[in-house]
Amino acid sequence: SQQGEEDPQALSIQEGENATMNCSYKTSINNLQWYRQNSGRGLVHLILIRSNEREKHSGRLRVTLDTSKKSSSLLITASRAADTASYFCATDRNTGGFKTIFGAGTRLFVKA
Amino acid sequence: SQTIHQWPATLVQPVGSPLSLECTVEGTSNPNLYWYRQAAGRGLQLLFYSVGIGQISSEVPQNLSASRPQDRQFILSSKKLLLSDSGFYLCAWRGTSGGELFFGEGSRLTVL
Repeated sequence: SQQGEEDPQALSIQEGENATMNCSYKTSINNLQWYRQNSGRGLVHLILIRSNEREKHSGRLRVTLDTSKKSSSLLITASRAADTASYFCATDRNTGGFKTIFGAGTRLFVKA
Repeated sequence: SQTIHQWPATLVQPVGSPLSLECTVEGTSNPNLYWYRQAAGRGLQLLFYSVGIGQISSEVPQNLSASRPQDRQFILSSKKLLLSDSGFYLCAWRGTSGGELFFGEGSRLTVL
């Protein structure tokens, strides 16, 4: 079964607005990662937040992690049409091989 | 720099035919290797991962198998394809210390 569950499943916003995506997971983790996927392509890593971190920034991206609630959020500020893509959270548990489990993703559409 | 190659990019196969998808990584040694499958509009399902030559962990009982004959080569196979094997197959690697996954461009398999 998938570890992470994102919501919303789909999000449509205007260029310049902020986009917030949420992720919940079920078990203890070493870290949580966010990835982006353009249609029909491989995934690209955006940001990793460790279990002992609460917030992390990278450019227009802000990620928060609440281990007590087993949830994370990804905020994209001042969105652009080029941000249109699917976004996935993924969690790592150290099982000797770093098994990484992905959620179902949020499909973001940014209208120009 | 490290690169990951995955082929073929697209494949149309009849039910009952065999399958071989290949993935190779360059520029690194002893990577952790992964095979994921993605159904249309859905998240990624972890199929297999490997921490070393000949070491394969299977996540989902299914019609597929994986092999790692060389350090940087990961092969996904099937002896007889089913309709349900259709999907987008993604290979990924990461270093032994964990962290982000690096994905190939994917192989789209259609079973007719």
